[in-house]
Amino acid sequence: DTAVSQTPKYLVTQMGNDKSIKCEQNLGHDTMYWYKQDSKKFLKIMFSYNNKELIINETVPNRFSPKSPDKAHLNLHINSLELGDSAVYFCASSHRGYEQYFGPGTRLTVT
Amino acid sequence: GESVGLHLPTLSVQEGDNSIINCAYSNSASDYFIWYKQESGKGPQFIIDIRSNMDKRQGQRVTVLLNKTVKHLSLQIAATQPGDSAVYFCAVDFGNEKLTFGTGTRLTIIP
Repeated sequence: DTAVSQTPKYLVTQMGNDKSIKCEQNLGHDTMYWYKQDSKKFLKIMFSYNNKELIINETVPNRFSPKSPDKAHLNLHINSLELGDSAVYFCASSHRGYEQYFGPGTRLTVT
Repeated sequence: GESVGLHLPTLSVQEGDNSIINCAYSNSASDYFIWYKQESGKGPQFIIDIRSNMDKRQGQRVTVLLNKTVKHLSLQIAATQPGDSAVYFCAVDFGNEKLTFGTGTRLTIIP
């Protein structure tokens, strides 16, 4: 009965590879988000989708491409991975304008 | 610009005592404020929220106080328990449909 789930939990890959992280929510929310948390625990929003439509796109390299096949899913694809992409990536969901519920995170390590 | 800052990066409190975590924000137009708790290896967990038309809101053992005059937000945890040890974040919606997170305060409960 997990509310917001992400896969994989851990991802170790080499520079230059392409990888995807998947996110699903079963809360019936209309808005989903991707955040990046760096080694200092700073959380920064990357993207937000409302009803499958992109509404927030922060200053993120275009190597990062979110895809929302439906309201319950928001996947993150990353091309040409770089060392600086190493971080924990969190998916979250909410009804627009209300508290966000976060997934367990995906720890990405680029070597 | 819009910013959110926490006053102390770390805080240690004796078990059973009350704790107060403080947060300051930059934009007086902000209308939605949330406190999150993040335990090691997990995603941020919603604790309590407050809108700008209120000064105080109480939950179970937690109280959020909002002082719009000085743009200050605080989280009070009563009768702290070991399970309260975590990193606490305040997050502010500056009216642009995204949450801006503070840098986090690591709360340690001393048995």
